Amino acid sequence: DAGVIQSPRHEVTEMGQEVTLRCKPISGHNSLFWYRQTMMRGLELLIYFNNNVPIDDSGMPEDRFSAKMPNASFSTLKIQPSEPRDSAVYFCASRTGTTNEKLFFGSGTQLSVL
Amino acid sequence: GESVGLHLPTLSVQEGDNSIINCAYSNSASDYFIWYKQESGKGPQFIIDIRSNMDKRQGQRVTVLLNKTVKHLSLQIAATQPGDSAVYFCAESFGGGADGLTFGKGTHLIIQP
Repeated sequence: DAGVIQSPRHEVTEMGQEVTLRCKPISGHNSLFWYRQTMMRGLELLIYFNNNVPIDDSGMPEDRFSAKMPNASFSTLKIQPSEPRDSAVYFCASRTGTTNEKLFFGSGTQLSVL
Repeated sequence: GESVGLHLPTLSVQEGDNSIINCAYSNSASDYFIWYKQESGKGPQFIIDIRSNMDKRQGQRVTVLLNKTVKHLSLQIAATQPGDSAVYFCAESFGGGADGLTFGKGTHLIIQP
C-alpha cells in the first residue's frame, strides 16, 4: 500500500487566497483525521471523520476552515480566505477502525501564507 | 517531555548508548498510549503503543513503560543508532479512542557519533 497520500507537498499563497489541501487515506481505513503542526502549538487535531461522516470539528480554528470527505478515498481541507497565521504543516492520518488504534500519517502539506 | 514555547526538550546521547524519553500525560482516564517518531520533513511514524491494562511493552530495540499512578510514560531505545535522531512524540486517547490522539509537544533526540 502507498500509505496516506497528501497533496500538494508545499503550498505558497498570498493572504486572502483560497487554499485546498487534499488527502487520500489508506484503502480500507474507516477513520480520517486532519492535524495541524506548528512550533508553538505542536500537533493539533482539527477534525476527524468516521465512515466519511464528520464527527468532531471543534478543533477547526475558525469558519474560514472547512473539511469534506465525499467518499472513502478522498478528503479535502479548505481555508478561505487564508491568513499568514494559517502557515503550518497540515497532516492527514487514517486508521482501520474507530477505536484505539494507531494512526498512519501522510507526509504533510507545508503551507506558507504570505 | 513537554515543551514550552518554541523550544523542544532535547536529549543528546552517544551512539550505542541507551536513551530514555519521558512524557507526562494529562488525563487519568486515558486508556491508550502511543509513541511516534518524526524525522525532519516527514510525517509522524508509529513506534510502539500500550494499553492501560499493561505497564510494559517491548518491541524491536524499544520498550514503553506506563506508570498510571503518576501519569507517566517513557520510551526506552536500546543501542541508539544515527537513524534514531528525530523528534519523539507521546500521544494519549481515552473513551475508547474514538476521538483520536492527543499529542504532547515532543522531545528532540540527538545521537552523537
